[in-house]
Amino acid sequence: DQQVKQNSPSLSVQEGRISILNCDYTNSMFDYFLWYKKYPAEGPTFLISISSIKDKNEDGRFTVFLNKSAKHLSLHIVPSQPGDSAVYFCARTTSGTYKYIFGTGTRLKVLA
Amino acid sequence: GAGVSQSPSNKVTEKGKDVELRCDPISGHTALYWYRQSLGQGLEFLIYFQGNSAPDKSGLPSDRFSAERTGGSVSTLTIQRTQQEDSAVYLCASSLLGLNNSPLHFGNGTRLTVT
Repeated sequence: DQQVKQNSPSLSVQEGRISILNCDYTNSMFDYFLWYKKYPAEGPTFLISISSIKDKNEDGRFTVFLNKSAKHLSLHIVPSQPGDSAVYFCARTTSGTYKYIFGTGTRLKVLA
Repeated sequence: GAGVSQSPSNKVTEKGKDVELRCDPISGHTALYWYRQSLGQGLEFLIYFQGNSAPDKSGLPSDRFSAERTGGSVSTLTIQRTQQEDSAVYLCASSLLGLNNSPLHFGNGTRLTVT
């Protein structure tokens, strides 16, 4: 019973353009959504998060949008850089709990 | 070097053998998680430790899997009688509090190959 779904296994974007990574979720019990980035042979690293009481959170080139009516989460990277090439995982967790549920990941390739 | 440390980084074993994977969390982090990532899959939750509380073992796929956390710090994940479907990257993570305002910090993982 997958509770976060990343439907695009891969995405290619030209350097300097916007990368949009998407994630859908199945219910609204969970209060925090997070994005992690993973390079080959390394563990995932935390990128940015958003609480379900917000619609948007921004950190430099990275912005996360939460559309609660559509149960949809997206990560925007602008401008994209070759160093952003990695696998991106969305994750969710419930306020006050410890369990994180991860999506299957989207492999982003930024072309120079 | 204050990150989460996992060893070995790679392990190749024969089917039927036992393996032990080790995780050194970030000092002071009370919460420790084990996840695994099989080829083409997301991160699958295995087990969670928080302080002195009983661990949440609900993600362990079979009774061949077990984990310990000694002294509230180092953890070992043991897989007995390994099977080929156990081949995956096993990731350990720690967090300060184990709550959603305390993101997970992952190690680089142990890539397990069962031949």
